[in-house]
Amino acid sequence: GAGVSQSPSNKVTEKGKDVELRCDPISGHTALYWYRQSLGQGLEFLIYFQGNSAPDKSGLPSDRFSAERTGGSVSTLTIQRTQQEDSAVYLCASSESLGGIYSPLHFGNGTRLTVT
Amino acid sequence: AQSVTQLGSHVSVSEGALVLLRCNYSSSVPPYLFWYVQYPNQGLQLLLKYTTGATLVKGINGFEAEFKKSETSFHLTKPSAHMSDAAEYFCAVSDGGTSGTYKYIFGTGTRLKVLA
Repeated sequence: GAGVSQSPSNKVTEKGKDVELRCDPISGHTALYWYRQSLGQGLEFLIYFQGNSAPDKSGLPSDRFSAERTGGSVSTLTIQRTQQEDSAVYLCASSESLGGIYSPLHFGNGTRLTVT
Repeated sequence: AQSVTQLGSHVSVSEGALVLLRCNYSSSVPPYLFWYVQYPNQGLQLLLKYTTGATLVKGINGFEAEFKKSETSFHLTKPSAHMSDAAEYFCAVSDGGTSGTYKYIFGTGTRLKVLA
C-alpha cells in the first residue's frame, strides 16, 4: 500500500521567506510525528499529533515553527521567516498508535530544505 | 529526560566480518528501544525493537540487539556483514507514554561502510 508521502521533496528558499512542508500519512494512522535531520545532528523531534488530542509541541525550536493536522490526516509544517540554520531534511512519520510499542514509525522520504 | 548516545558516527567493516554498532541510553523509567535503518535515498525503516520480555531481540536481515539494563546498552550486531548492509543506523528510545509524552528520542546515527 501507499506509504508516507511528503512534498515537496526539495525546497530552496531565500532567507526571510515562509515555507510550508506537507505530509500525507498512511491511511488510518492516528499518530503523526515531525523530525528534523541535520548533518551530524541525528533526528531532532519537533512535534507529534495523536488523533484529536492536543499535540506535543515541545520540540519546536522557535515560534517561527508551527504545524497543524487537518481532519486527523494531512499535516503541514510551516516555517516563517526562514533562516539559514533551518536548512535540513524534514521527516514525517506516522504510526497506528503512539509510542511504538505495538506499531513502528513509518517514515516518509523527507523534504530537503535549503535556505539561501 | 531520556537520551541516546551512539558511539562512532562512522564504522567500517570488511564484508563477512562482525558488525557491532553501539547504543547507550539514559531513562528514568523502563525504556522501549529501537533500531532504525536508513538506506541511501530511502526513508527510515524499523530494524528491530525491544519493549518487554526477552532481552535478545532479532530483526530483519540477520540483525539482533541485546537489552542490557545494567549497562544501559542496546548494541546492534550482525555476525557477517554484507555489502547491502551499508546504510545509516539510528538507535531510539521511548518510554511509551509513562512520563506523559510519546516522543521518540533518536541518536545521532552511525554510518556503516562495508568494504569488499
